[in-house]
Amino acid sequence: SQKIEQNSEALNIQEGKTATLTCNYTNYSPAYLQWYRQDPGRGPVFLLLIRENEKEKRKERLKVTFDTTLKQSLFHITASQPADSATYLCALDPGGYNKLIFGAGTRLAVHP
Amino acid sequence: DAGVIQSPRHEVTEMGQEVTLRCKPISGHDYLFWYRQTMMRGLELLIYFNNNVPIDDSGMPEDRFSAKMPNASFSTLKIQPSEPRDSAVYFCASSSRLAGGNEQFFGPGTRLTVL
Repeated sequence: SQKIEQNSEALNIQEGKTATLTCNYTNYSPAYLQWYRQDPGRGPVFLLLIRENEKEKRKERLKVTFDTTLKQSLFHITASQPADSATYLCALDPGGYNKLIFGAGTRLAVHP
Repeated sequence: DAGVIQSPRHEVTEMGQEVTLRCKPISGHDYLFWYRQTMMRGLELLIYFNNNVPIDDSGMPEDRFSAKMPNASFSTLKIQPSEPRDSAVYFCASSSRLAGGNEQFFGPGTRLTVL
């Protein structure tokens, strides 16, 4: 069956450290993968998109990698801050029809 | 732009009642999506429209659910009759393929509670 898996356990890290979140998928060959942030009581907010021919993408303190062989994307937040605490969702478009399938999300807590 | 607008923000109703959720997408966006989010099932796509035409409704759980998009600036998701298992947060999102992006812009959601 087709699956998108993210760490179900919350990730707790110390302020200033690098947070690394994982997104694994099976039985898909997506043209791109997206990462969203969701705060409690709010809708998801788009962060980054990485295409299948891109190995790495950066935006300020955020970095995303995409390994189509391993079927895995890693999402890094460097110099993490308490304000980065949120749930992070990965999403992919299996057929390229702008129809996203979301992972369950990983909750990140950055402690001062 | 005000972003995607949804109403109401909260809805509490009794089982069997009709519920109508409303969405105004970002002006100029040609795609509109309806999602449902629960703790158990996460964020699930229910239906999406392109240029006001329903493209894929395979995520709509039952015939009790229906969605319409009468024009480019308005969409509704209706549940009739509602059941307690429909309790969830319903999100509307929009995007613009014409602008070359694939990112979706989500509204604040409607928290539905069916008693």
